[in-house]
Amino acid sequence: DAGVTQSPTHLIKTRGQQVTLRCSPKSGHDTVSWYQQALGQGPQFIFQYYEEEERQRGNFPDRFSGHQFPNYSSELNVNALLLGDSALYLCASSNDVNTEAFFGQGTRLTVV
Amino acid sequence: AQTVTQSQPEMSVQEAETVTLSCTYDTSENNYYLFWYKQPPSRQMILVIRQEAYKQQNATENRFSVNFQKAAKSFSLKISDSQLGDTAMYFCAFIQGAQKLVFGQGTRLTINP
Repeated sequence: DAGVTQSPTHLIKTRGQQVTLRCSPKSGHDTVSWYQQALGQGPQFIFQYYEEEERQRGNFPDRFSGHQFPNYSSELNVNALLLGDSALYLCASSNDVNTEAFFGQGTRLTVV
Repeated sequence: AQTVTQSQPEMSVQEAETVTLSCTYDTSENNYYLFWYKQPPSRQMILVIRQEAYKQQNATENRFSVNFQKAAKSFSLKISDSQLGDTAMYFCAFIQGAQKLVFGQGTRLTINP
């Protein structure tokens, strides 16, 4: 079992550009959540996908969007990048209410 | 809104000592789950221990145990016989239903040889 995999591991983008991050959930999991973790802080919830629909969303602007595919993998898209978008982006998968969320190793995004 | 507070930004102990990390949370819900996650420099968030709010018995996983005080909304983590590999950021987190994980600000724990 490969667990949760995220790609790429590191990324450098310029202000105003767009970025796509990818996540493959743990085998048997159907729910994917995305978190943003600024340096030295706890992760903040961006949104959650279940059955290819956004089930709930945190306090992030519309520049942050996502998608879930039939195989349960997911993408996080960020448009019009700002310097403040620089962070570690974590993907977590789970398969039921109140079960453990398994995390990937994250994508370190740097906006210059 | 649910919130999680970790009041200790950093802690440092000697190897083999016992250390306790503090966490308080705020919720109006009655059924929920609490977690402690460990995040080493490798960045991957690893579950250390979980507690179901409807269970009065404190959870234990080998050297890790919690002190869950539901009325006080307190959820501390005790690490016994600490090891160098325990050095990491530790996050307390809360979840209710199918909703988002809410994390605290984290405690940076250093185990010294």
